[in-house]
Amino acid sequence: DAGVTQSPTHLIKTRGQQVTLRCSPISGHKSVSWYQQVLGQGPQFIFQYYEKEERGRGNFPDRFSARQFPNYSSELNVNALLLGDSALYLCASSSPRQADNSPLHFGNGTRLTVT
Amino acid sequence: GESVGLHLPTLSVQEGDNSIINCAYSNSASDYFIWYKQESGKGPQFIIDIRSNMDKRQGQRVTVLLNKTVKHLSLQIAATQPGDSAVYFCAEGRSGNTPLVFGKGTRLSVIA
Repeated sequence: DAGVTQSPTHLIKTRGQQVTLRCSPISGHKSVSWYQQVLGQGPQFIFQYYEKEERGRGNFPDRFSARQFPNYSSELNVNALLLGDSALYLCASSSPRQADNSPLHFGNGTRLTVT
Repeated sequence: GESVGLHLPTLSVQEGDNSIINCAYSNSASDYFIWYKQESGKGPQFIIDIRSNMDKRQGQRVTVLLNKTVKHLSLQIAATQPGDSAVYFCAEGRSGNTPLVFGKGTRLSVIA
């Protein structure tokens, strides 16, 4: 079975531009989360979606937005890019049971470089 | 591939020895804990998880220990192999599928 897939794998953008990152979850997983990982640090939570609704948002500016589609795939959008947005953007899916935690399964990420 | 963490704490072990990676978590309300392994150029890979109603859980060659009194988590890897070389992250969460909060990571380097 395919794991979480993300596209593109690498991306170079200029300050002020906008970017859209894409994620397809593991088949059957209805929850998708986005994390930002800056070099040398652990992943930081950006968004969580479940059944197409936003279930959580991390401490990121409004320039960051996301959505989940009926097939449970997801997009992360970042507007007005800053140099500090350069990072590895990770998507993870999970199949949470009611009021319970289940492991996040991560894709290999999109490496975004802002110049 | 790219280096995941350039200035992380590093643990160096001889091949065949046991490894112990430690993690202090911050939120006393956390009741779900998980360990991930991240190799260069890849996303974090799930290793093992544990809930707060347990203090020990074993997997294949790995054991996670949880000490809620001192908010400490450890990952033990038996008979460490070169393929275990990676950055290891602990993460904490709370019931209800709250977002995972990741620690800073430890780089494990296996000496052949």
